Amino acid sequence: QTVVTQEPSLSVSPGGTVTLTCGLSSGSVSSSDHPGWFQQTPGQPPRTLIFSTRTRSSGVPDRFSGSILGNKAALTITGAQAEDESVYFCVVSMGSGTWVFGGGTRLTVL
Amino acid sequence: EMQLVESGGGLVQPGRSLRLSCAASGFSFDDFAMHWVRQVPGKGLEWVTGINWNGDTKGYADSVEGRFTISRDNAKNSLYLEMTSLRVEDTAFFYCWAVCVSTTCSGDLWGQGTLVTVSS
Repeated sequence: QTVVTQEPSLSVSPGGTVTLTCGLSSGSVSSSDHPGWFQQTPGQPPRTLIFSTRTRSSGVPDRFSGSILGNKAALTITGAQAEDESVYFCVVSMGSGTWVFGGGTRLTVL
Repeated sequence: EMQLVESGGGLVQPGRSLRLSCAASGFSFDDFAMHWVRQVPGKGLEWVTGINWNGDTKGYADSVEGRFTISRDNAKNSLYLEMTSLRVEDTAFFYCWAVCVSTTCSGDLWGQGTLVTVSS
């Protein structure tokens, strides 16, 4: 089964820019895979940030942006803030009505 | 207000069955594909199963194929997950996730989750 890969952890300075990526153990992620990005804090359900590669969910600050970089989906935070410290998950459509989540990236803002 | 409310979780013995429900309100239910996503406390998200807007197409993760069945009743604005032959490793929070598939809506919605504990 294809594994969706994410960096286990990343750090960014307040006000800085960081890019999280979402790839496949075999193959490439493209827009036709409708990658999405989610933020989750402890004890809460996931919050959708980006769906279908680059569309921001309602209420999501524009410092969050989605794209395809090379053969991966990417989430870029431009001007990181302390409240962005969280765990971020991506999801990719595998076709035939199935989806797979990545293992998550723990982002530290320091 | 758009809302998803899961119910039916609880403590169940290995090998037994359990049925989860997800009640939708505040939006056109049949404009959305529906999914169940689970999460072991402290771990990552796992997509479990999904169903298209009219129930014609269903997909399952390998880990639950043949044991879990997803269904929906658009007249009742409800999603269901029938879980059989439950295993200890099925213990997790189960979230209901609605994804817009129509031109008359946008975005998605998550429920608050219901905890399923499989233990003897």
